[in-house]
Amino acid sequence: KNQVEQSPQSLIILEGKNCTLQCNYTVSPFSNLRWYKQDTGRGPVSLTIMTFSENTKSNGRYTATLDADTKQSSLHITASQLSDSASYICVVSGAAGNKLTFGGGTRVLVKP
Amino acid sequence: DVKVTQSSRYLVKRTGEKVFLECVQDMDHENMFWYRQDPGLGLRLIYFSYDVKMKEKGDIPEGYSVSREKKERFSLILESASTNQTSMYLCASSLLGQAYEQYFGPGTRLTVT
Repeated sequence: KNQVEQSPQSLIILEGKNCTLQCNYTVSPFSNLRWYKQDTGRGPVSLTIMTFSENTKSNGRYTATLDADTKQSSLHITASQLSDSASYICVVSGAAGNKLTFGGGTRVLVKP
Repeated sequence: DVKVTQSSRYLVKRTGEKVFLECVQDMDHENMFWYRQDPGLGLRLIYFSYDVKMKEKGDIPEGYSVSREKKERFSLILESASTNQTSMYLCASSLLGQAYEQYFGPGTRLTVT
């Protein structure tokens, strides 16, 4: 069964600090992996997308990594800001990119 | 920019009522999706549609139906709302063959009392 597991479920960090979120998946065959940011009460918005051949992808202070061999991805937030408080969702696409499996998300709270 | 809009941000309905959730996209996307999002469970696909009048069941279609009479509009229908359908409902759209690149609406938080 295709699964996407995210950890931790939630975390609290101080403004200006860095943090790393984890995503492990069992989806096979693999097409691509995407990280979404979802603000409270809003729909998810895409941050990064990586295919099998990509190891790292950055979007401003967000850097995603992918290890397709171990089926793990991480999202690193650098110099966190209050606006980074949100849920971060890892989504893996299966064959032909048309079957999506969603992780449960990690809720991040940045405190001043 | 792709815009996906949903008819209501918040909705409160009584058990047994028929509920309509509307979703409209303005990018001529063939695919449209309905998800529900519950704490700890992530997003779960209810139904999707790849063309007008075409629909496919997702992972949790029970208790729901959908309608797609026009390309830009996809409706989710709860025939007889129940308390376990209290949830956040998200609509998304994408180009045909690019379901990995979905654009989401703002969501409707439905409470069934």
